[in-house]
Amino acid sequence: RKEVEQDPGPFNVPEGATVAFNCTYSNSASQSFFWYRQDCRKEPKLLMSVYSSGNEDGRFTAQLNRASQYISLLIRDSKLSDSATYLCAMSDGRTSGTYKYIFGTGTRLKVLA
Amino acid sequence: EAGVTQFPSHSVIEKGQTVTLRCDPISGHDNLYWYRRVMGKEIKFLLHFVKESKQDESGMPNNRFLAERTGGTYSTLKVQPAELEDSGVYFCASSQEWGTEAFFGQGTRLTVV
Repeated sequence: RKEVEQDPGPFNVPEGATVAFNCTYSNSASQSFFWYRQDCRKEPKLLMSVYSSGNEDGRFTAQLNRASQYISLLIRDSKLSDSATYLCAMSDGRTSGTYKYIFGTGTRLKVLA
Repeated sequence: EAGVTQFPSHSVIEKGQTVTLRCDPISGHDNLYWYRRVMGKEIKFLLHFVKESKQDESGMPNNRFLAERTGGTYSTLKVQPAELEDSGVYFCASSQEWGTEAFFGQGTRLTVV
């Protein structure tokens, strides 16, 4: 089983729609969680951190569910410019004194006019 | 403030040759990470420096890969000799503290022919 799993998509949604992605993780020691956005042939860019209490930034809401070991990203009122691949990432905690980030494969979102 | 910069942006080399990739992290970021994305796969961790020390190199594929960070500033990743399967995009990222957001460079696209 992969450490971090995401549905690769693509998710094709019309403009204005609400879309949600989940990302499950297997390491219960994971401590820090993030959502990154990656445009085609570009580097991942941090979208938002995911806190235990949830995090909202404009149209974007991130949630963490430790009991079920997943994080989610909700995008409201989708824009064409939201089309990208969304990667979840998490650090594996201080199991060996390191904090390497583990990434999911990413979920492709296409917002259609 | 300058972000993470990587050089070169593209490199095409023949099998058996040597290539050295460079990464300049964000100033003041002690943590530096190397990642690789092979086509169609997830971004995979290679190694993690804290200042000049290798904190975790568990993701390095084999001994053809050598990473250094002399003086704790920029880092180099050398592949010698390169093989076809080394082709991919090599990303460098840096973060200020363990577990905080990592910021990525634009990546080096390596093609081994």
